[in-house]
Order: sequence, then structure tokens, then C-alpha cells
Amino acid sequence: QLQESGPGLMKPSQILSLTCSVSGGSISSGIYYWNWIRQRPGRGLEWIGNIDDRGTTSYNPSLQSRVTFSVDMAKNHFSLTLNSVTAADTAVYYCASVDFGDYSFDYWGQGILVTVSS
Amino acid sequence: QSALTQPASVSGSPGQSITISCTGISSNIGTSDHVSWYQQPPGKAPRLIIFDVSNRPSGIPSRFSGSKSGNTASLTISGLQTEDEADYFCGSYDSTNTWLFGGGTKLTVL
Repeated sequence: QLQESGPGLMKPSQILSLTCSVSGGSISSGIYYWNWIRQRPGRGLEWIGNIDDRGTTSYNPSLQSRVTFSVDMAKNHFSLTLNSVTAADTAVYYCASVDFGDYSFDYWGQGILVTVSS
Repeated sequence: QSALTQPASVSGSPGQSITISCTGISSNIGTSDHVSWYQQPPGKAPRLIIFDVSNRPSGIPSRFSGSKSGNTASLTISGLQTEDEADYFCGSYDSTNTWLFGGGTKLTVL
């Protein structure tokens, strides 16, 4: 199971920090990429990027300049930091796992709505 | 990085079959076997229903099937049921070591 946590409301220019807690398995299993995906209101899914248990990251080029991922083995969670948020970053943010074998998003968190408003 | 292209909406009657297309380019759908499909009921998180073009995870009914030809992947739902009404998204791994999704297709069961 995956569960997102973080603030629901932010102001423009602030830094967004979200955490995804993983239960029922170890984040250091070495068989998953740990992903962040967002869905802006009324729109499709947008892959933000991922991190593996060695800390190797891959980012969506459109967000790469503002986003950073980290992983905490001791707490069995991984995190997203998004700098300089604007109203365009208002979205439901999901964390999800990608299996190394089939590269599909097999487990998803329930999602967390983040609203950016002054 | 452009999203994959899906029709905005499709509809069908119970018992009928529908097909949703998903078009990419040679660096993703055209050369990747890692094409997947997701079902998202209103207000819920997406759920994986097809992986590696045509494989179904455990618990997904055989009414759901996937295929691929060239740069276009397809999801077919046969024997439509009212509970199938949802948004459907395709996804693909890209050779640039990134992942993409389609814009989503709203399925209405009339």
C-alpha cells in the first residue's frame, strides 16, 4: 500500500513537499521504481518522475528544473519537493510503484489534492 | 515530451464492444513492449488493467484486452457492463527513460 501526505493548500512561490509512505513491503526491495504522478483538474495524468532505492532519479523534462526526489529507507518512504509553485501546479498528486519487470504502474496511492492559491 | 493521443470520449451500450486507441511515436509505443492501460472511476485513483501491451493483472476480467500496431495501442472492452463506466488512460515507457500517459478517454455506458 502507498499513502501520500502533505499540505493541501499552498501559496504561490512556496515549496511543495509530499511524502509517500510504503507499507506491506520494503522500499529497498530493489524491484521497483517509486513514482510521482499528478492530475490537474479535468485533465489527464502527468508523470513527474521516479527514484529507485539507490537514489537514481528520472524526471519529466518539463518539470526537471523544479523537482527533486529523495528516499528514506529507515522510514520506508519517498518524497517529492517542487519549488516555486504556481496555480498551474494545482492537482491531485499520486505516488505509484513501477515494477522493473513490466514498467507498469501497478500500485497507486489514493492521491492528495494540492491547491495553490493566494 | 508530448502526451500520448487518445479520443476524448467513447460510448457503448451494455453487451457491446468498444475500442479505445492510443497513439504515440516510435520512441515510445512504436518500439516499446511496455504499454499499459489504467481504469479510473470518478474520484478514485487509477487501477492497472493491462500491462506489456496485452497482459491482464490478476483479477482483471478477460473482457479487457489490449493490442498494438505500429505507433498505436488499443484497449478493447467486450461485453460492456455499466460498472465499466470510467476514464481510461494509456501509458508507455519511452526510450528516453521517461514515462508518458495519454490524455484519457471517458467511457459512457448508455
